Amino acid sequence: DTAVSQTPKYLVTQMGNDKSIKCEQNLGHDTMYWYKQDSKKFLKIMFSYNNKELIINETVPNRFSPKSPDKAHLNLHINSLELGDSAVYFCASSQDSDSYYGYTFGSGTRLTVV
Amino acid sequence: AQKVTQAQTEISVVEKEDVTLDCVYETRDTTYYLFWYKQPPSGELVFLIRRNSFDEQNEISGRYSWNFQKSTSSFNFTITASQVVDSAVYFCALSASGAGSYQLTFGKGTKLSVIP
Repeated sequence: DTAVSQTPKYLVTQMGNDKSIKCEQNLGHDTMYWYKQDSKKFLKIMFSYNNKELIINETVPNRFSPKSPDKAHLNLHINSLELGDSAVYFCASSQDSDSYYGYTFGSGTRLTVV
Repeated sequence: AQKVTQAQTEISVVEKEDVTLDCVYETRDTTYYLFWYKQPPSGELVFLIRRNSFDEQNEISGRYSWNFQKSTSSFNFTITASQVVDSAVYFCALSASGAGSYQLTFGKGTKLSVIP
């Protein structure tokens, strides 16, 4: 039973399209995150939600919009995709926003924009 | 602001050699957490260890050991008798309250190649 699941695992799309990546966790955690890993393997936080409320919103283009319908789900919607959006996107969750209990990561979504 | 530096970009060792991956961190918080993650070629992030800032006790888990030294702000990771399956990118990460909410700040990773 996967703790943090992301779909799809691979996503290939053309420039200008709109796409969504879904994330669900069954751990009962209160906080969820999106991280982006670029081609150089650098991991950087994009967003964090705690109990459906946005608590971290790093400097990312407005084309990226997270949506949390409930505390078990945090989806990432990307409008007008650009070549530079190609990356691996990781969803993660933790108990509250306190990292004492650690983080659980999903297996990642590899987005390729052509 | 938090910062994690992994000065070693790539390391190659021959199987059975010991290898140490360095990690230096910066934070103004007195309470923080340090992590190591492994990312094998398959791409997932595998949690290895978490340490709290108030617990400087070193830890050993099988062939893995971690040396946490607050005096030098370092949290180094040693693999003893390396194996080919250890080949991966290893990330050190820091989590602190910073601006009021915890988030993981990752180093840029060290790619370890273990040659048979």
